[in-house]
Amino acid sequence: QKEVEQNSGPLSVPEGAIASLNCTYSDRGSQSFFWYRQYSGKSPELIMFIYSNGDKEDGRFTAQLNKASQYVSLLIRDSQPSDSATYLCAVSSGNTPLVFGKGTRLSVIA
Amino acid sequence: GAVVSQHPSWVICKSGTSVKIECRSLDFQATTMFWYRQFPKQSLMLMATSNEGSKATYEQGVEKDKFLINHASLTLSTLTVTSAHPEDSSFYICSARDRAFSTDTQYFGPGTRLTVL
Repeated sequence: QKEVEQNSGPLSVPEGAIASLNCTYSDRGSQSFFWYRQYSGKSPELIMFIYSNGDKEDGRFTAQLNKASQYVSLLIRDSQPSDSATYLCAVSSGNTPLVFGKGTRLSVIA
Repeated sequence: GAVVSQHPSWVICKSGTSVKIECRSLDFQATTMFWYRQFPKQSLMLMATSNEGSKATYEQGVEKDKFLINHASLTLSTLTVTSAHPEDSSFYICSARDRAFSTDTQYFGPGTRLTVL
């Protein structure tokens, strides 16, 4: 069974710090990796996707992928209170539904 | 781009009635749409995968006769909760995959909050 693991948190970081969110996956054949943000009571919102090993940067967000270690992470620089949400890691192995982790709750403290 | 809408955003109904939820991709054609359910403080649970013009594929434990899914066009999928009961009260979210791109990116609708009295 394909699994995606995340620490449930909460992860608390002070405003302005770097938040580091981690995710591991079990299917070595996984090809695409996604980070979604979900505010309480709202639906998930796509933040970033990454396909290749290494780093991908978009504004304050950096996704990091290491396929050998089956590990993907999301760094949020200059964290703001508005970044407080649950972050979902999702993995795809092809033309199948995304497999989601249970999410990490991030709390940015002003 | 990649906007998905849902209607209604919330609905309250009496036990035993049926409720239809619409999911539309507004600016792209969706080969595949997905229906999820999420209970408070719990993770997303995939209910079914819907492909245009074919029968939906339901996840284990999801009753296909209770949760009717129709994907009549490349921009519209509907979920009908038949004979709803209080335990069906939940947050129902659809997502859609863009046909134009050979990626697995799923874009989510805003969700429908169903309360069954």
